[in-house]
Order: sequence, then structure tokens, then C-alpha cells
Amino acid sequence: EAQVTQNPRYLITVTGKKLTVTCSQNMNHEYMSWYRQDPGLGLRQIYYSMNVEVTDKGDVPEGYKVSRKEKRNFPLILESPSPNQTSLYFCASSTVHGGDNEQFFGPGTRLTVL
Amino acid sequence: RKEVEQDPGPFNVPEGATVAFNCTYSNSASQSFFWYRQDCRKEPKLLMSVYSSGNEDGRFTAQLNRASQYISLLIRDSKLSDSATYLCVVNVGGAGSYQLTFGKGTKLSVIP
Repeated sequence: EAQVTQNPRYLITVTGKKLTVTCSQNMNHEYMSWYRQDPGLGLRQIYYSMNVEVTDKGDVPEGYKVSRKEKRNFPLILESPSPNQTSLYFCASSTVHGGDNEQFFGPGTRLTVL
Repeated sequence: RKEVEQDPGPFNVPEGATVAFNCTYSNSASQSFFWYRQDCRKEPKLLMSVYSSGNEDGRFTAQLNRASQYISLLIRDSKLSDSATYLCVVNVGGAGSYQLTFGKGTKLSVIP
């Protein structure tokens, strides 16, 4: 089954404790992206990647890091989480030219930073 | 001016009603337009792309008006299962851009 998976689905952590949210897709998509969704603010792009070893900042990259060492994986790293990073996070993937094609989303990761 | 704007609603309509949503975008160079559907606490899923000539998929019709820089979604004969948030999505950077901008969504509740 074609899908985007994220882990963990739910995470409660404390300020400053480094964490990684994994994202994996099995559709051989070149383009992958991370979004956060907050009430009243909608979906905002954090980082995106057009292919292996190619990443770029989205609209709200501060406090996040990403890497793209393999085509299927695109982990999101929070080196020192803060309460303002409490949010619902979505990973998405698409064929190349991600702005023109359908993006497939993972099920989301609900993160709470205390 | 915000890049992509939608009426947040909520739109509360009875079953069988016709409902229309509009979405405006600020960059006239925008090339690609979509409507996504998001159920409560779930991931967004593509409902339909929006083409220049307009397109229809069953009870759903999407239109693009480049002159006025807006897209629309029309839902006919609303079903209870249509209750969701509808997201307007635009590639505001134009052709070759790799960033989509999402509207904040319009919430629809279809009432029995």
C-alpha cells in the first residue's frame, strides 16, 4: 500500500530534550516536506527536500533541522524543543515538481512540549 | 495582504443543499491550484486540482478566475459525509516553485 508513515504519532516531552520525528514514504517520491498545523494559523511549511541531500527552508524553519540521506526518509529534528513548538506535524511527499502535483500526507504527529 | 485567504466559516448547511467556497490568492503568477479536504484531526487529502477551464468531479465543481485571482469550490446535493474542513492550496511561486501555500481552511458542517 502506497503510504507516508510518521513516528511517533503522539509525543509529550519537556523543554530542551532533543527529539526526532521520523517520516518515510514507499512511493519513490523525490519531493518531501514537513508542515506544522496550529489553530487559526493553518498549515505552514517548515522544510522541504527536492531530492537526496537537497533541502531548503520553508516559512517557519527556526528551531528545526532536517536531513535527507535516503530518498524514502526525511526526519524532522528538534534539537532543543520549546513550548511554542507544541503543534500537529505532518510529513508529505510528492513526485518531482511538488508544487504542481498531489502531495500525500502522513497521519500526523501530535507533539506537546512542556 | 495574505497570500491565500479563505472564509473560515463555519458553514452549516442542511443535507441536499448546494454550498460554495471561495479562495483568493495574492500572486498573479501562481500556476497550480488545489482543493484539499481535511477531516478532524486527520491528514489533508487531495479533493481535486483546479484547471483553468474549470473541472467537475461528481457533485464537486472547481473554478479558477485568474482575472480576479480566486478559485471556488461548489458542492451540490451535500451529504453528511461532506462535513470537513476544505483547504485551498496554491503554488504561489509559480511554475517550478516547490512550495505550496495553504489557506486556513473553511469548515463545513452538513446537518441532517
